[in-house]
Amino acid sequence: KAGVTQTPRYLIKTRGQQVTLSCSPISGHRSVSWYQQTPGQGLQFLFEYFSETQRNKGNFPGRFSGRQFSNSRSEMNVSTLELGDSALYLCASSLTGDTIYFGEGSWLTVV
Amino acid sequence: AQSVTQLDSQVPVFEEAPVELRCNYSSSVSVYLFWYVQYPNQGLQLLLKYLSGSTLVKGINGFEAEFNKSQTSFHLRKPSVHISDTAEYFCAVIPARGSYIPTFGRGTSLIVHP
Repeated sequence: KAGVTQTPRYLIKTRGQQVTLSCSPISGHRSVSWYQQTPGQGLQFLFEYFSETQRNKGNFPGRFSGRQFSNSRSEMNVSTLELGDSALYLCASSLTGDTIYFGEGSWLTVV
Repeated sequence: AQSVTQLDSQVPVFEEAPVELRCNYSSSVSVYLFWYVQYPNQGLQLLLKYLSGSTLVKGINGFEAEFNKSQTSFHLRKPSVHISDTAEYFCAVIPARGSYIPTFGRGTSLIVHP
């Protein structure tokens, strides 16, 4: 059974640009959540989608957004990139909500 | 709200020695508890979890953890570590009801020396 797949794995963007990251959950999982990991702040919850609806949202500015498609695949978008957005962005999926499985992450560097 | 404290930011240990990584949590509601491992340049891999039942849970790679409700702890142990266990370890809690939003500790870096 394939795990959570994230693309791209590495990317470099310039301040002010926007970026879209993609996530394919484990087959059958309908919940997809996103996290930002930085050395300074650790792992922080961004948002969670279930059946194409945002079910939970973390404490991030509106520049961070996401969506989920009918096949449960999800994307997250960050607009007007800032240097502080440089991070590892992790996607996770869940079948029952009580256990989440992570992908390999997308490394975003903003220059 | 929940909080998770991993008491050691770094734990150095020699190969084949036992190790314990400590995790304490606070929560006003019942929680599920997890340990994840992160190898360099990779995502988080689930090591083990406690949802209910026996307080001693066994995970992958020879790790185990014990849930202690009175001390609100969920310490991770391994009787004999290998060089390949060198990684970052994260303790996490998820509310047992309501929103399944996880709270993570800041991580413990396990460094295994030959």
